[in-house]
Amino acid sequence: GAVVSQHPSRVICKSGTSVKIECRSLDFQATTMFWYRQFPKQSLMLMATSNEGSKATYEQGVEKDKFLINHASLTLSTLTVTSAHPEDSSFYICSVKHQGDTEAFFGQGTRLTVV
Amino acid sequence: GQNIDQPTEMTATEGAIVQINCTYQTSGFNGLFWYQQHAGEAPTFLSYNVLDGLEEKGRFSSFLSRSKGYSYLLLKELQMKDSASYLCAGMDSNYQLIWGAGTKLIIKP
Repeated sequence: GAVVSQHPSRVICKSGTSVKIECRSLDFQATTMFWYRQFPKQSLMLMATSNEGSKATYEQGVEKDKFLINHASLTLSTLTVTSAHPEDSSFYICSVKHQGDTEAFFGQGTRLTVV
Repeated sequence: GQNIDQPTEMTATEGAIVQINCTYQTSGFNGLFWYQQHAGEAPTFLSYNVLDGLEEKGRFSSFLSRSKGYSYLLLKELQMKDSASYLCAGMDSNYQLIWGAGTKLIIKP
């Protein structure tokens, strides 16, 4: 399967600051990238879908001005949590998919703690 | 609406067999996925079914019945390392994954 690198794996930040999370597809052309959020003991919740070179499509209830997604190339997507608050503390996971394929490959996830 | 149902938690004994069931309702259907997720880690792919029947892969097998909107994941010769959450996900007509809440599997010695 594809190798997906997500960085950082853990981050602690102060309330009000911004955090950038990177998702890199190391050996795979990721035409589509998905960003998920997972709260403890809950399933994955899709936040947004991004296609290379296009604006991300956000799920209902997800603030696009707060969660900035950039998918500038076929190997890199970034999620920036702006003005983070404690309620944004969660596990953020990216997954990548190539057009026409069914399987999605996941990054290792980023544990964000806002204090 | 779209929905995935699976049990919240199951307990099994090391060396035994366990079956985790999943029922799904999706807008269109492009396959059913099973993922394993250990606590604090990202999910890892286990299986994909798009046709009816049983797919066997080592100790893990997955079954699909499209007419019943039903799938199960069968784990044989359970090992302690199999303790994890197992996520069922259906792919809809837009190729979006609809996720279940996951089944937490507890393996006892």
